[in-house]
Amino acid sequence: AQSVSQHNHHVILSEAASLELGCNYSYGGTVNLFWYVQYPGQHLQLLLKYFSGDPLVKGIKGFEAEFIKSKFSFNLRKPSVQWSDTAEYFCAVNGKGGNNRLAFGKGNQVVVIP
Amino acid sequence: EAGVTQFPSHSVIEKGQTVTLRCDPISGHDNLYWYRRVMGKEIKFLLHFVKESKQDESGMPNNRFLAERTGGTYSTLKVQPAELEDSGVYFCASSQGQGNTDTQYFGPGTRLTVL
Repeated sequence: AQSVSQHNHHVILSEAASLELGCNYSYGGTVNLFWYVQYPGQHLQLLLKYFSGDPLVKGIKGFEAEFIKSKFSFNLRKPSVQWSDTAEYFCAVNGKGGNNRLAFGKGNQVVVIP
Repeated sequence: EAGVTQFPSHSVIEKGQTVTLRCDPISGHDNLYWYRRVMGKEIKFLLHFVKESKQDESGMPNNRFLAERTGGTYSTLKVQPAELEDSGVYFCASSQGQGNTDTQYFGPGTRLTVL
C-alpha cells in the first residue's frame, strides 16, 4: 500500500524566509508525485507534479520540488515566501501504470507572518 | 470554465440519519473521484468512476456508503445510516483523461458533522 509522510505539520515563518516542506513516500514501484495547496477558503489546487524527466520540477507561484529516488523524497521549496503563501500543503502519490487514486500525506499548515 | 462543484457545503445530521452529497464534475471529465478527510488525518481515497462505471471502490469504508453516477455526469454519495466516525470533509475531484498523471481538479468539499 502507498503511504506518504509529511513532517512539521505546522510551520510559521516570516515573509522573505525560505520554505522547505518534506515529503517521503512508501511504495513498491515507480510513482507519480504531486503537491497540492489549499489556500484559506479555496479548493485544493495543483502546485506541481512529477512523473518523468528532470527530477527538479517547477510549479506555479515560484514553487519547485525535487524528486530524489534514492531517498523516496519529493520535497517542496520556495526561496522567499509571501504572506499570500499562507495555506495548507499536501504531498500525494500514485503508482505509475496503476490506478489513479492519490495517497495523500497529512498536510503542512504554513502561516506566513507579514 | 466552471470548476468542480459540491453540494451542500455543510451538513449537520444526527447519528442514524441519512445524508446525500452531490458532486458535479468539470464538463467533459469522464473521471470522478471521491475522497474524505477526517479531522487530523490525511485525505483518503474512497472511489473512482469512469463515466458511470465504478473503476475502483477499494477505499469505501463499509456498506453504509453508496456512490452513484447515473448517466456519467454528476455523482452522489449517500451515507445511510450515518455514524459519528463519518464526520469529516468529503472532497470530489474530476479529471479528463485516463492516465494517472492527469491532474485531478478538486471541489470545495462538503463538511459533514454527525452528532
